[in-house]
Amino acid sequence: DAGITQSPRHKVTETGTPVTLRCHQTENHRYMYWYRQDPGHGLRLIHYSYGVKDTDKGEVSDGYSVSRSKTEDFLLTLESATSSQTSVYFCAISERQLQETQYFGPGTRLLVL
Amino acid sequence: GQQLNQSPQSMFIQEGEDVSMNCTSSSIFNTWLWYKQDPGEGPVLLIALYKAGELTSNGRLTAQFGITRKDSFLNISASIPSDVGIYFCAGEGRSTSYGKLTFGQGTILTVHP
Repeated sequence: DAGITQSPRHKVTETGTPVTLRCHQTENHRYMYWYRQDPGHGLRLIHYSYGVKDTDKGEVSDGYSVSRSKTEDFLLTLESATSSQTSVYFCAISERQLQETQYFGPGTRLLVL
Repeated sequence: GQQLNQSPQSMFIQEGEDVSMNCTSSSIFNTWLWYKQDPGEGPVLLIALYKAGELTSNGRLTAQFGITRKDSFLNISASIPSDVGIYFCAGEGRSTSYGKLTFGQGTILTVHP
């Protein structure tokens, strides 16, 4: 298994509070991704990173920000959590960008009350 | 953005039966990936396809990259109870999502002993 961990694994928070999720990899892969998974939607890309301090928006980036100050860590921040951000969040990594498989972390289950 | 239509949405089968699921798109993809997700886990890669027409097997699993590059299918032969889970297709295309994956909605597979 690819060395990807996510923390926390579960979190309950209240609307309006900031939340930061962490993805940590030990594979030294260049590319890292944050997805959310919701019933009927599969996985949707929130943001991704193609190197330290290099990030770009995905399909559903509104309300989320990311940061990557080290190769191994990719942080996802909900500046002011809303109930619509209740979801399961997955981090993924890949070594190359094109024609390259992505390996997923175990996920973080977030409930916003 | 690009969309993948995955079908069926769910399947209930008896142990020993064969399973077939597919994904179609209105856009061309350069890579097709098939993942399986167990409850509480992240998706795990099953098969990767990189060329139109490619047929690849992984044990009891067989997947094909459609000639038109707009579809892919996954077959599971002689299903067993541990095949239970959600199966996702994912495609990578160059047109509007360079190097990013688009996921299907998933097929929920239930296998009755």
